[in-house]
Amino acid sequence: AQSVTQLGSHVSVSEGALVLLRCNYSSSVPPYLFWYVQYPNQGLQLLLKYTTGATLVKGINGFEAEFKKSETSFHLTKPSAHMSDAAEYFCAVIRLGTGFQKLVFGTGTRLLVSP
Amino acid sequence: KAGVTQTPRYLIKTRGQQVTLSCSPISGHRSVSWYQQTPGQGLQFLFEYFSETQRNKGNFPGRFSGRQFSNSRSEMNVSTLELGDSALYLCASRLSQENYNEQFFGPGTRLTVL
Repeated sequence: AQSVTQLGSHVSVSEGALVLLRCNYSSSVPPYLFWYVQYPNQGLQLLLKYTTGATLVKGINGFEAEFKKSETSFHLTKPSAHMSDAAEYFCAVIRLGTGFQKLVFGTGTRLLVSP
Repeated sequence: KAGVTQTPRYLIKTRGQQVTLSCSPISGHRSVSWYQQTPGQGLQFLFEYFSETQRNKGNFPGRFSGRQFSNSRSEMNVSTLELGDSALYLCASRLSQENYNEQFFGPGTRLTVL
């Protein structure tokens, strides 16, 4: 079964520092992988996705992630954190079936950004 | 184009009651999925509807049900509420059921069961 594991429920960085949020996946087939962000009292917003093609994926707000098959990882990075990046981040893999799809989420990582 | 809308945004119920939540997808989207988000269990898939038919269901008891109307709007119902049903319920819509296409999430309905 396809699943994702996020390492670290909380990550703290200083403004301007590198952001690294870790995600490892388990899948018997080539996975489609996603990172979503959730701000307080809001729904989920797609940051970026990997389906096929280039393994380095660029998303919104300066985030990017690299699909590494050899490491079964899809870590999210941003070179310089901004206060507005403080939110909860979810890694997800998609299960596709005949006529349906469902997202399987990791447990989430809360990013704290200090001035 | 308007995004996914969910009503109500907040709801307080007591144990044993039932509740109905509503989701209006993005115009033109025909598939609607529901997810439950709790601190303990995280984000979990409830069900997906397309063309008024349930296409897939998550591992939830029969107290959780849903339906979709001909205009693609969807409702989910929870009967005999339990304290553990307190959660943020998220709805997501996508264009069609063919292959992969992106799901867009609404702001959610926060249900509190007392």
